[in-house]
Amino acid sequence: EVQLVESGGGLVQPGGSLRLSCAASGLIFSSYEMNWVRQAPGKGLEWVSYIRSSSSSGSNIDYVDSVKGRFTISRDNAKNSLYLQMHSLRAEDTAVYYCATWGSPGFNYWGQGTLVTVSS
Amino acid sequence: DIVMTQSPDSLAVSLGERATINCKSSQSVLYSSNNKNYLAWYQQKPGQAPNLLIYWASTRGSGVPDRFSGSGSGTDFTLTISSLQAEDVAVYYCQQYYSTPRTFGQGTKVEIK
Repeated sequence: EVQLVESGGGLVQPGGSLRLSCAASGLIFSSYEMNWVRQAPGKGLEWVSYIRSSSSSGSNIDYVDSVKGRFTISRDNAKNSLYLQMHSLRAEDTAVYYCATWGSPGFNYWGQGTLVTVSS
Repeated sequence: DIVMTQSPDSLAVSLGERATINCKSSQSVLYSSNNKNYLAWYQQKPGQAPNLLIYWASTRGSGVPDRFSGSGSGTDFTLTISSLQAEDVAVYYCQQYYSTPRTFGQGTKVEIK
């Protein structure tokens, strides 16, 4: 059974930083493109970033424009883990952050999400 | 960026009746070289993560009941629930993967009438 478990969310002040983690099991992690998708409270889904598998060709990392220069996605295939380093956080970054695999195609496996709240 | 617009924002349907959700993209998501529409549908039940229902606009995901079907091509797509069940109460999202950013529609909330 595939499991994705996010952690690292919490309350942070505007301008602060936070690092999210996603621990994966039940899949060959290194062969999957991994993504972060967020959902502001009561709102819809927004794709944030992806990092391609090590075997993929083409651009390996991308971000939605609103987080470029502030967020950094990374992965550690030896630890089956995905990360999102977030700096210069803003109120509009408040959301549940999901990690998700890309396959089928589509986001076919999702974690339960971790809540990030940016507030003073 | 490709903008995805769903209609309606919400709908209430009686149990056993048909529910129809529309999704329109601001530009075509049909890739001419393989004649595939780069369009997926998701279901998100209250308090849960989304679940992939449909990809390539009309291919059901693993374990998805056959009362769910997707249709359309180019810029106009439809998700149909042929006979609404109580467990189908959820928000449904379309999403294009023709180009990045992979954008979602705003969601359509389906309730029981």
